Amino acid sequence: KQEVTQIPAALSVPEGENLVLNCSFTDSAIYNLQWFRQDPGKGLTSLLLIQSSQREQTSGRLNASLDKSSGRSTLYIAASQPGDSATYLCAVFIIGANNLFFGTGTRLTVIP
Amino acid sequence: ETGVTQSPTHLIKTRGQQVTLRCSSQSGHNTVSWYQQALGQGPQFIFQYYREEENGRGNFPPRFSGLQFPNYSSELNVNALELDDSALYLCASSAGTSGAQETQYFGPGTRLLVL
Repeated sequence: KQEVTQIPAALSVPEGENLVLNCSFTDSAIYNLQWFRQDPGKGLTSLLLIQSSQREQTSGRLNASLDKSSGRSTLYIAASQPGDSATYLCAVFIIGANNLFFGTGTRLTVIP
Repeated sequence: ETGVTQSPTHLIKTRGQQVTLRCSSQSGHNTVSWYQQALGQGPQFIFQYYREEENGRGNFPPRFSGLQFPNYSSELNVNALELDDSALYLCASSAGTSGAQETQYFGPGTRLLVL
């Protein structure tokens, strides 16, 4: 059974810092991995999707990497801003399934 | 292009009641997936519908059921509500034959509270 773990569960950083969020998964037979952002009580916004054949994806200040063989992904946020405060979830699509498997998220607070 | 919409936004029910949640998929998408997100947890897969047929189900009891309509909108029905059913229910739509490899676009969710 696929298990997705995110560390740390919560993180507070001062504005302007660069930071890394970690995600690990137990089953490496995946189609892709996605990072989502979730504001309190709201739905999910897709940030980056990395196909299993890719190593990384970038969008603005965000960079996500994928090491499928070791079952790890990182989300790098450069020059953090208070507006980045949210919960960040990673999720994987495994081969043979029709759904995303989610981690429990990292709650990020960027302090002005 | 219209995004994924869900209704209602909030709902309060009592134990034993039944509830229907609705989802309108993004234009051009034929696959809808439903997820349950308990407080402080990641979303858990309930089931998926592709072209009006159930196309995969997670570890949820039969009192969780669904429908997909010809316009690809969808309903999630929950019978005999229990306190643990209190959660945010998320709907996601995607395009393609199975939705598995496509980006899923999530709606804002319906917050259900069972008293």
